[in-house]
Amino acid sequence: EAGVTQFPSHSVIEKGQTVTLRCDPISGHDNLYWYRRVMGKEIKFLLHFVKESKQDESGMPNNRFLAERTGGTYSTLKVQPAELEDSGVYFCASSLGHNTEAFFGQGTRLTVV
Amino acid sequence: GESVGLHLPTLSVQEGDNSIINCAYSNSASDYFIWYKQESGKGPQFIIDIRSNMDKRQGQRVTVLLNKTVKHLSLQIAATQPGDSAVYFCAEINTGRRALTFGSGTRLQVQP
Repeated sequence: EAGVTQFPSHSVIEKGQTVTLRCDPISGHDNLYWYRRVMGKEIKFLLHFVKESKQDESGMPNNRFLAERTGGTYSTLKVQPAELEDSGVYFCASSLGHNTEAFFGQGTRLTVV
Repeated sequence: GESVGLHLPTLSVQEGDNSIINCAYSNSASDYFIWYKQESGKGPQFIIDIRSNMDKRQGQRVTVLLNKTVKHLSLQIAATQPGDSAVYFCAEINTGRRALTFGSGTRLQVQP
């Protein structure tokens, strides 16, 4: 069974450009989460989907970030326009239930120059 | 606000020794705790979890201890191996929020 996959693994973009990250959760997992780790700090929650609905988006830093999960399968996280402080590693995770083991993807390393 | 933090940023141990990684949390409503291991270039990998109605749980070479009185969580790794070298994160979930809150991570270095 495939795990959580993220694409791309690395992205280098210029300040002001747009980047879209993709996450494919484990099949059948209704819960999908986005997290990020910036500047080597702790991993911070961004938002949580249950199927196609945003359950909690309290961690989204500002309106330059837009997450979607059309159809309740894969999810995208778009950053537009990207700023230098957006650099970091973006992780996606999925789980069957909200209080069960969450499986993480390998992350997308975003570098904004 | 709630926070989950780690006491030691880096822990260096000799191969074969036991390792103990500590974590403090501040949210008394936390009811589910998880330890994750993250190797370079990979995402966090589940190691072991414990619910708030327990104070100890054992896995293969790993033990998690939970002290709710002082809001402290620890991960014990027996007979540490070079493959255990990684960054370890504690994380918690509370009943009011369905997403993980992570600590800042401890790097474990195993010396051969």
